[in-house]
Amino acid sequence: QVQLQESGPRLVKPSETLSLTCNISGGSISSYYWSWIRQPPGKGLEWIGYVYNLGGTNYNPSLKSRLTISVDTSKNQFSLKLRSVTAADTAVYYCARTIDYGDYYFDFWGQGALVTVSS
Amino acid sequence: QSVLTQPPSVSGAPGQRVTISCSGSGSNIGAGFDVHWYQQLPGTAPTLLIFGNTNRPSGVPDRFSASKSGTSASLAITGLQAEDEADYYCQSYDTSLSASYVFGTGTKVTVV
Repeated sequence: QVQLQESGPRLVKPSETLSLTCNISGGSISSYYWSWIRQPPGKGLEWIGYVYNLGGTNYNPSLKSRLTISVDTSKNQFSLKLRSVTAADTAVYYCARTIDYGDYYFDFWGQGALVTVSS
Repeated sequence: QSVLTQPPSVSGAPGQRVTISCSGSGSNIGAGFDVHWYQQLPGTAPTLLIFGNTNRPSGVPDRFSASKSGTSASLAITGLQAEDEADYYCQSYDTSLSASYVFGTGTKVTVV
């Protein structure tokens, strides 16, 4: 079955760019949509955005101006870049496979990566 | 704050039935968008529990069930077990000003 693994720096300075990559194993990236979702410590879940085949994207409007999600099919991975971060962006960041059911839901998740924004 | 409201906590004894509500509005659940549910065990990533309002993925016990009506949805756990102690989140789509996929506020289930 498909497995997802987040990687990237766990400490980012304020005003800099948060960058994470999700590596997919056990399945092809080309057949599905792929999302990033975050969870601030002790709080609920927030959908960040998704990317789909050939690089099309859909972003959370509240983050859209700072956000880029891209896909690298040759490496079977997709990436998140969130610019101009502040302490409010400190969270566990999850990557997840996204199923188009008419609506969308998230059926497989990575283990999560805690990213702290601090100087 | 989320547009999908859940009770912060529910509790029950082993073997009992508990329900978790997910209250939305005409711009999300009431607009006909599906509701999905996730279970998050302590210190782990969420896992899919219910998709498309009522459907269980393979491997999810049939003591988990869900329904949707009007602007709300609910998740029921029958025959509550200690391993069900977790946070539960509903999820749907919202068409209001910031159209987006949205999660509920989350409910902590405690087995007493």
